[in-house]
Amino acid sequence: DAGVIQSPRHEVTEMGQEVTLRCKPISGHNSLFWYRQTMMRGLELLIYFNNNVPIDDSGMPEDRFSAKMPNASFSTLKIQPSEPRDSAVYFCASSQRQAAMPQHFGDGTRLSIL
Amino acid sequence: ILNVEQSPQSLHVQEGDSTNFTCSFPSSNFYALHWYRWETAKSPEALFVMTLNGDEKKKGRISATLNTKEGYSYLYIKGSQPEDSATYLCAFMGSNYQLIWGAGTKLIIKP
Repeated sequence: DAGVIQSPRHEVTEMGQEVTLRCKPISGHNSLFWYRQTMMRGLELLIYFNNNVPIDDSGMPEDRFSAKMPNASFSTLKIQPSEPRDSAVYFCASSQRQAAMPQHFGDGTRLSIL
Repeated sequence: ILNVEQSPQSLHVQEGDSTNFTCSFPSSNFYALHWYRWETAKSPEALFVMTLNGDEKKKGRISATLNTKEGYSYLYIKGSQPEDSATYLCAFMGSNYQLIWGAGTKLIIKP
């Protein structure tokens, strides 16, 4: 199994630009999670999907952030317009929606907004 | 408000010594307790998922216990090695299947 695949691994862009982060979950997993890691707040849940449907987006910082999951094998997290305070590592994770199933994390996207 | 607390926040341990740290979580609506190991510059990796009161899991030198009635779990590392240096995260899963994460215990093994 290839694991959770995220792209790009690194992104450096200027303030105001649109940023799109991509995630391919593990095949057969029906839950997908987007997290953000910052020095101040540690690991924050931004949004999660069950069976491609967004369940809880209360962690999304503001309207500049949006996430989609058009099918079971692909999800995007978009920031438009980006700001320097969005700089962080963004992780995608997937799991089977059962209590005893762990989440499997991708390698993360390190985002730097200049 | 559901809260998951981990203590201590950080821990320095001499190589070869054993250590343990704590995760406290709500004792109601319990579904599962997850432990993850997170090395610097990598992504979190699942260690254990525990669902039953009294459960004990073991993976090599690392083990964990679970008390759902009082709402705590202990993670033990026997004979610490430098490669054990990482942040150890616990996460509580309630009836909505959503994980509530602790802030982690940062473990540093001194050679």
